[in-house]
Amino acid sequence: QLQMQESGPGLVKPSETLSLTCSVSGGSISSSNYYWGWIRQPPGKGLEWIGNIYYRGNTYYNPSLRSRVTISVDTPKNQFSLRLSSVTAADTALYYCARHVGSGNYQAFDIWGQGTMVTVSS
Amino acid sequence: DIQMTQSPSSLSASVGDRVTITCRASQSISIYLNWYQQKPGKAPELLIYAASSLQSGVPSRFSGSGSATDFTLTISSLQPEDFATYYCQQSFSTPHMYTFGQGTRLEIK
Repeated sequence: QLQMQESGPGLVKPSETLSLTCSVSGGSISSSNYYWGWIRQPPGKGLEWIGNIYYRGNTYYNPSLRSRVTISVDTPKNQFSLRLSSVTAADTALYYCARHVGSGNYQAFDIWGQGTMVTVSS
Repeated sequence: DIQMTQSPSSLSASVGDRVTITCRASQSISIYLNWYQQKPGKAPELLIYAASSLQSGVPSRFSGSGSATDFTLTISSLQPEDFATYYCQQSFSTPHMYTFGQGTRLEIK
């Protein structure tokens, strides 16, 4: 049973860089047909896709965040990471990592981590 | 960008009711539409993918339909554990540009 777990600081100062890691267990991050993504949810609000990465390093970002986002993968550690620069209070959210299945018509986030809350505040 | 609009934004219903939630895309997305359920304090869970395919382990009272721009999620007989927020999500945009609906909160009447 594949599991995903986010980790990283829960508090980030404005203008600094938010850094989170997602650890994958029970399966390989190098499997074909899977992408690995980040989604966030501000308190009391809906879901926003941040970006995806393939194990070979191909990245795809939400255009609204592209200038500030970097997603990277570490296949030996079975992890992938998110960096979001120049954060403001608007970046305060629950951050989820998730597996994205990309196979024919099956294009969906099928497994999610539990989420980690990040607050941007001085 | 493809915009996803759900209706209603909130809904009150009783156990045993049949409930339908609608999701509309700003342009045709074929059948690349997924539905998720999110309970308070929990991560979203995939219910339906490709508009009408039931994710493994999801009860058969959940069903999805639609294509192009108009989609529905139906719960045939509400159970107490179904009171949650439901999100649609399009996966049509290439390469990889995903958007979610704003959510529909299903509450107990």
